[in-house]
Amino acid sequence: QKEVEQNSGPLSVPEGAIASLNCTYSDRGSQSFFWYRQYSGKSPELIMFIYSNGDKEDGRFTAQLNKASQYVSLLIRDSQPSDSATYLCAVVGSNAGGTSYGKLTFGQGTILTVHP
Amino acid sequence: NAGVTQTPKFQVLKTGQSMTLQCAQDMNHNSMYWYRQDPGMGLRLIYYSASEGTTDKGEVPNGYNVSRLNKREFSLRLESAAPSQTSVYFCASRDRGRTEAFFGQGTRLTVV
Repeated sequence: QKEVEQNSGPLSVPEGAIASLNCTYSDRGSQSFFWYRQYSGKSPELIMFIYSNGDKEDGRFTAQLNKASQYVSLLIRDSQPSDSATYLCAVVGSNAGGTSYGKLTFGQGTILTVHP
Repeated sequence: NAGVTQTPKFQVLKTGQSMTLQCAQDMNHNSMYWYRQDPGMGLRLIYYSASEGTTDKGEVPNGYNVSRLNKREFSLRLESAAPSQTSVYFCASRDRGRTEAFFGQGTRLTVV
């Protein structure tokens, strides 16, 4: 089982729609969760982080975390063609002082295309 | 403030050659990471250093070695390059606790 799994897509949505991106993780003790966006040929850039169960909203983006289900998601409202990119879910390992401490693991990414 | 700097940006190697990818950060971060990115594979962790003086294997460490030279610098060495190591390599750093990672601009490596 991969440590962080995402639907690789591609996910195609029309402009103005809601895009929903999902991620599951295997380390039950993980505390920090991140969503990065990566344009083709560029480095990943942070969109959102979330640490507590529930929803966190930032503009058109909402991150959702459910630690019991080991599930984190990203919703993009009013999707724009400029949102077309690969979205990467990342998780920091737990177990302070142990084998996973500080380990930052990414999923395989979901390719999102927003068409006009 | 340069952030995370990787050198070189591009490199072509012949099979069997060796090289070192350099990474330096000026944000006083404790943790540093090396990833490789292949089409459809996301970012796969090669090695990481949770703090100065420690290094640990990630998901795909075979064929690579690392050195955490000091708090700022974390290098990745390919001792005998193989075509399977053709990839884009990213270095990243982050501070302790619940903090985001910052990435370098990447190194595009081709092994022929």
